[in-house]
Amino acid sequence: ETGVTQSPTHLIKTRGQQVTLRCSSQSGHNTVSWYQQALGQGPQFIFQYYREEENGRGNFPPRFSGLQFPNYSSELNVNALELDDSALYLCASSRGPDYEQYFGPGTRLTVT
Amino acid sequence: AQSVAQPEDQVNVAEGNPLTVKCTYSVSGNPYLFWYVQYPNRGLQFLLKYITGDNLVKGSYGFEAEFNKSQTSFHLKKPSALVSDSALYFCAVRDESGGYQKVTFGTGTKLQVIP
Repeated sequence: ETGVTQSPTHLIKTRGQQVTLRCSSQSGHNTVSWYQQALGQGPQFIFQYYREEENGRGNFPPRFSGLQFPNYSSELNVNALELDDSALYLCASSRGPDYEQYFGPGTRLTVT
Repeated sequence: AQSVAQPEDQVNVAEGNPLTVKCTYSVSGNPYLFWYVQYPNRGLQFLLKYITGDNLVKGSYGFEAEFNKSQTSFHLKKPSALVSDSALYFCAVRDESGGYQKVTFGTGTKLQVIP
């Protein structure tokens, strides 16, 4: 198992609500990436934070936002939830943007 | 725009036989290529990467991958498959433009090793 932890494990929200997901990176890692993985699909890159600054973003709308803290842990915030946001949200940390990523177990979000 | 293709949804191979899981990519600059594995009810795990150097990259659990620039491919290989290799395999490419990162994963290939 990696040293990347995510909370909560599961979450059920109603359409239109807001949600915050949390990730603690592995010790020594300064880069965190977030992914959305729908059932049967590959992970879709949401964004990446490197030393508290966003340094990469995929094709997700602005209602997906994030933060990275001085200890390199991170949050993913999603506003105005839609049914299609139901997915497994994965956090991955690495020693830097060029390095391999170590994934957490994910947060399963269900939007009803 | 960068992309990754894994043309096979599933690969079946007999235990002890060599295996290949295919991946092709498209990026604007120099590619950083990765393979990850997802075992049932477990998270994604890093297998190996290519950044620069030798075209044959060795990774975890006896896996290796061959980078072919002319064919824009990065196929995953193993000389002798084990039943425990059965899992979902993802190829990924990282690209950078103006200091901004983007990572793209393929859709995954399910490897089934038959005893």
